[in-house]
Amino acid sequence: QVQLVESGGGVVQPGRSLRLSCAASGFTFSNYGIHWVRQAPGKGLEWVTVISYDESNKYYADSVKGRFTISRDNSKKTVYLHMNSLREEDTAVYYCAKGKDSSASPSHFDDWGQGTLVTVSS
Amino acid sequence: IVLTQSPGTLSLFPGERATLSCRASQTVSSSSLAWYQQKPGQAPRLLIYDASNRAAGIPDRFSGSGYETDFTLTINRLEPEDFAVYYCQQYGKSPETFGQGTKVEIK
Repeated sequence: QVQLVESGGGVVQPGRSLRLSCAASGFTFSNYGIHWVRQAPGKGLEWVTVISYDESNKYYADSVKGRFTISRDNSKKTVYLHMNSLREEDTAVYYCAKGKDSSASPSHFDDWGQGTLVTVSS
Repeated sequence: IVLTQSPGTLSLFPGERATLSCRASQTVSSSSLAWYQQKPGQAPRLLIYDASNRAAGIPDRFSGSGYETDFTLTINRLEPEDFAVYYCQQYGKSPETFGQGTKVEIK
């Protein structure tokens, strides 16, 4: 069965960096785009970024553009989210989710990881 | 596209029908609208995609309808496990966006 496992969350000071990982199994990883969606404590869901199957297309929400970078290693079946210049408003649970196809087009999400909490605080 | 869900909270008894609304600020192309259920401490779970198609393993008491700007999730005969927060999401236009959620609570 499809499994997505996030890791790398933790407490970090404003302005610092953090890298999240999303390890996949149970499907042909290199055939799918992968998204990150976040949820601030007690709040709703916010789409963050997407990467296509071959890294040729990457898109970002305006709130993270220029600060976050998504990448993937198909040999390791892992997607990474590099987060720089973190702000308190980036505090959230970060979920990775499998897209509906190989592209970076908008998608619904059949499969989600369990999430990893990022807390930005001094 | 801004999605507005109503009501914010729905208080119902088990066995009753829940009707949740999701209104879009502009037409959602190709009825690219999904519904998710989320319970505390869990990831969202896909219920409905393309406005009216149930995801794999979703009971038939869940149904979706609507088009353009007005969409509805109906839950017939609420079971105890259905009390949760529900989100709509549009993926017809980038960036995909979510509604703010409707909480279905036990009355």
